[in-house]
Amino acid sequence: GQQLNQSPQSMFIQEGEDVSMNCTSSSIFNTWLWYKQDPGEGPVLLIALYKAGELTSNGRLTAQFGITRKDSFLNISASIPSDVGIYFCAGQPIRSGGSNYKLTFGKGTLLTVNP
Amino acid sequence: DSGVTQTPKHLITATGQRVTLRCSPRSGDLSVYWYQQSLDQGLQFLIQYYNGEERAKGNILERFSAQQFPDLHSELNLSSLELGDSALYFCASSPRDGTEAFFGQGTRLTVV
Repeated sequence: GQQLNQSPQSMFIQEGEDVSMNCTSSSIFNTWLWYKQDPGEGPVLLIALYKAGELTSNGRLTAQFGITRKDSFLNISASIPSDVGIYFCAGQPIRSGGSNYKLTFGKGTLLTVNP
Repeated sequence: DSGVTQTPKHLITATGQRVTLRCSPRSGDLSVYWYQQSLDQGLQFLIQYYNGEERAKGNILERFSAQQFPDLHSELNLSSLELGDSALYFCASSPRDGTEAFFGQGTRLTVV
């Protein structure tokens, strides 16, 4: 089945620094989503991408849908302490002659921001 | 608030027992997903329903089953519970396939 490789696994940065994380897949995806999860809470959708090459911003967050349709990245600019959490990428593969619609998640990037 | 409601929030039960987790999707969403999250496993996809029909299946154990009702709410049934089933169980909903999914707050299941 589809696998998503998300990197890095964890990041320790200083407040004010920019952050970049990415996700790659072994197959072509038609949707890329980025989520943030705080401890004990459900993942919260940050950005949704639907077209190859699409670049979308949400405040200090910017994400791109890779041209090959097999990767995506998320950038956070000027990080602040409340950016701390686990960031997940998720993708849905292109239908391949059957019912394979599952939304697959990467293993997450744990972000720590030192004030 | 994502608009997805999960009940109960916490559940403690003994091994061998059976529990039912409930999910109400966002108004108008036809698709419901169930995920299991353990400390060392990330978000594992269990199953997806779309407008009452099973759409996709992940690594869902045979002891687990789910259904989506005509009013679009969904239930996840976990039976013959084992200690290893202790985890957070999330439900998510989306308007249709291939669109953004919104998560509920989860049900924390503890099997003792």
